[in-house]
Amino acid sequence: QQKVQQSPESLTVSEGAMASLNCTFSDGTSNNFRWYRQHSAKGLEVLVSIFSDGEKEEGRFTAHLNRANLHVSLHIREPQPSDSAVYLCAVSSMSNYNVLYFGSGTKLTVEP
Amino acid sequence: ETAVFQTPNYHVTQVGNEVSFNCKQTLGHDTMYWYKQDSKKLLKIMFSYNNKQLIVNETVPRRFSPQSSDKAHLNLRIKSVEPEDSAVYLCASSPLGVQDTQYFGPGTRLLVL
Repeated sequence: QQKVQQSPESLTVSEGAMASLNCTFSDGTSNNFRWYRQHSAKGLEVLVSIFSDGEKEEGRFTAHLNRANLHVSLHIREPQPSDSAVYLCAVSSMSNYNVLYFGSGTKLTVEP
Repeated sequence: ETAVFQTPNYHVTQVGNEVSFNCKQTLGHDTMYWYKQDSKKLLKIMFSYNNKQLIVNETVPRRFSPQSSDKAHLNLRIKSVEPEDSAVYLCASSPLGVQDTQYFGPGTRLLVL
């Protein structure tokens, strides 16, 4: 079964500094990668989706995918205190009805 | 704007009771999912339905049973809850295209005493 791991578990950055989050996955046939954000006691908000190797930018959020290395990352440009949340990496494949397999999350704190 | 609705928001119950959670989506999607998020924030798939048909059933105790009356509704019933069922239950919906996003509801938090 798909295993998804995220690092670091927690990350503190200063407002305006780049934040970088990492995610590795085990199933090389996966073709669908997403980063979600979850604020306390709230639902999941999709930030960026990526389906092929390379880079995908959505506003201040950029995902990098390297399927050969089983690695996807998220970079947050100019983070703000309101970006403080848990960031979840989700991996899926069409062959399994797009069921999402999640990492355990990175808790990001952005200090003013 | 919320398009996946879940009720109740929060439910407290005793061990052994039966609970039901409701989920409705207004996005016109064919596929709906139930995920469980434990106290460590780890999200795991439980069930998925496509057009009222069960298509994914992960290793879930038999006391959990999903129910779908139409493609816009997917409910979850838990018979005889146990303490380890305390968690947040998240409903999601999606078309089935390879690049289609899953949209999540706000979740139902269950506390079993």
